[in-house]
Amino acid sequence: EVQLLESGGGLVQPGGSLRLSCAASGFTFSSSAMSWVRQPPGKGLEWVSAISGSGSSTYDADSVKGRFTISRDNSKNTLYLQMNTLRAEDTAVYFCAKEILGAAFDTWGQGTLVTVST
Amino acid sequence: EIVLTQSPGTLSLSPGERATLSCRASRSVSSSYSSWYQQKPGQAPRLLIYGASSRATGIPDRFSGSGSGTDFTLTISRLEPEDFAVYYCQQYDSSPPLYIFGQGTKLEIK
Repeated sequence: EVQLLESGGGLVQPGGSLRLSCAASGFTFSSSAMSWVRQPPGKGLEWVSAISGSGSSTYDADSVKGRFTISRDNSKNTLYLQMNTLRAEDTAVYFCAKEILGAAFDTWGQGTLVTVST
Repeated sequence: EIVLTQSPGTLSLSPGERATLSCRASRSVSSSYSSWYQQKPGQAPRLLIYGASSRATGIPDRFSGSGSGTDFTLTISRLEPEDFAVYYCQQYDSSPPLYIFGQGTKLEIK
C-alpha cells in the first residue's frame, strides 16, 4: 500500500524554525517527484514546494521563497521541509503529496499542523 | 502567473441530481496538467481527475472531467450522499514551475 506519513508539526513562535518530515512507503520513492501543500484553517489549498525524484531540482512558491527549503533522502524514503523565519500566516496543516504524470498529486499524507503564535 | 477561479462558490443539490463545477484559468493552459480533487472535513484531498479527463484509480465513473484552453468542468452525473464535499481544481504551469489551486467549490446537500 502506498503511504505517506508526516511528522514534525507543532507550536512555534514567530521568527522560529521547524522541520517537517514525510516518510514514504509502498512505491519507488526515488522515482517520484514530491511536493508540500498547505491548508490554513478553514481555507483552501496552497502549493508550497516541489522536488524532483533525484533531488536535483527544487521549486518554491513566492510566499515561502528564501525561508523554506525542501529536500529528500532517498536512502531513507523521506521528504523534508525546513521552515525558517516562520510567520503567523504560515499557520496551516501541511501535507506531503506524491506527483504523477500530468503534475497531479495521487497520494497525500494525513497532514501535520503547524501553528505560529506567541 | 495563472489564477484559477472556481464557480459557483457553493452548490446546493440533492442526491441523485447532476452537479457541474467550473474552473476558469486566467490564460490558456494545457489540459494535460489539469486536475480535480475532493476533500472532506478533516481529511486529505483525494485525486479524482488528472489530464483534464482521466479518472484516478478507484474513482467511480459518475465523476467525469472535460475542458480545454481556459475552461474546465467536473461533472458528477448522479450525486451520492458521500459526494458532498469541497472540490478543488489544480493546474501546473511550467514556466516557472508552479502548481496552482482554485479556491474551491463547496457541494452541499439541499
